[in-house]
Amino acid sequence: NAGVTQTPKFRILKIGQSMTLQCTQDMNHNYMYWYRQDPGMGLKLIYYSVGAGITDKGEVPNGYNVSRSTTEDFPLRLELAAPSQTSVYFCASSRRQGTGELFFGEGSRLTVL
Amino acid sequence: GIQVEQSPPDLILQEGANSTLRCNFSDSVNNLQWFHQNPWGQLINLFYIPSGTKQNGRLSATTVATERYSLLYISSSQTTDSGVYFCAVERGPGNTPLVFGKGTRLSVIA
Repeated sequence: NAGVTQTPKFRILKIGQSMTLQCTQDMNHNYMYWYRQDPGMGLKLIYYSVGAGITDKGEVPNGYNVSRSTTEDFPLRLELAAPSQTSVYFCASSRRQGTGELFFGEGSRLTVL
Repeated sequence: GIQVEQSPPDLILQEGANSTLRCNFSDSVNNLQWFHQNPWGQLINLFYIPSGTKQNGRLSATTVATERYSLLYISSSQTTDSGVYFCAVERGPGNTPLVFGKGTRLSVIA
């Protein structure tokens, strides 16, 4: 099993550009999450999903959008990129919340110039 | 929302030394996990431990849920233990995502 796979691993954007970070998992997990990690900080939740067709905002959702059309995929869209969105983005999944261990992808480093 | 505080923020150890990392949380939880982020940025789940004690090799963890803290013990530290250790908690009844602390940055020197 590949686990949680994120692409791309690195990307540089210009201010105002848009892009999609892809995330897919092959563990048949219902729950998926997007976190961002700023330098020297912990992880902050952007959006999460408890199953296909269901998404909800986390702590820092502004400037992002998500969709969950299948159990496996949970893409994160950045619209009108801003320097404040320069960060490392982690996708994660778990079998369920409450008692589910969280598994992370390897991260996507995004720089907005 | 629930607050998670980790201490110390930074720790430097000589190889072979032991250490204890602490995680305090502000409310009752039904999920607590410890993660290690290695120097390449990869996040690995170490323990799922909402209560009690678990051990995995040189690492062990104890959560005292009634007193709202968890401890991660690293014995006979190795340079490969370097990185950032995160505690993450979920408040019950199980419908909210994990909230992360800011982490403890550990450097093990040979």
